[in-house]
Amino acid sequence: GEDVEQSLFLSVREGDSSVINCTYTDSSSTYLYWYKQEPGAGLQLLTYIFSNMDMKQDQRLTVLLNKKDKHLSLRIADTQTGDSAIYFCAESIGNTDKLIFGTGTRLQVFP
Amino acid sequence: NAGVTQTPKFQVLKTGQSMTLQCAQDMNHNSMYWYRQDPGMGLRLIYYSASEGTTDKGEVPNGYNVSRLNKREFSLRLESAAPSQTSVYFCASSERGQGAEAFFGQGTRLTVV
Repeated sequence: GEDVEQSLFLSVREGDSSVINCTYTDSSSTYLYWYKQEPGAGLQLLTYIFSNMDMKQDQRLTVLLNKKDKHLSLRIADTQTGDSAIYFCAESIGNTDKLIFGTGTRLQVFP
Repeated sequence: NAGVTQTPKFQVLKTGQSMTLQCAQDMNHNSMYWYRQDPGMGLRLIYYSASEGTTDKGEVPNGYNVSRLNKREFSLRLESAAPSQTSVYFCASSERGQGAEAFFGQGTRLTVV
């Protein structure tokens, strides 16, 4: 079945770059997503990448996709304390818009 | 524009009780979802609805039923609650088609004692 895996925790110093990694299993996924969850809230879409792209940049965010290894990463440049949250990667299954989420990575930014 | 609204926000149930979690969206989206969030498990899809009148099982459907009576509303029912169903439940909606953003409600924190 579908499985999306992430490491559970990441701790970085303010101003450094953060890299959050994700592996997925459905090779037919057309889109892959990164969502952010702040404490006590639902998830919000940060960015997404189409499966025929290798990289997408959006201000401080860079998404890298290695389709051969089914590996997705999110790089946050100049990480701020406001970036502290849980980050989820997600894949759409086959040709559906059914979304499967990873376990989430809790990012902690310290001064 | 309220987005996705879930009720209630908090609920405590006794084992064996039943309840329905309500979800409504005002964005005219076709697709709606119910997820549960547990520590270390991420979000797991319970049920999915691609359009009014259609539902499909997700990863963890056992112990739950859903109803999509109209385009706006997608409810989740626990017929006989169990402690293993203690979780935070999220409803979400999206437009049809891949690449569409999913919008989430604020969540329902359910405790079954």
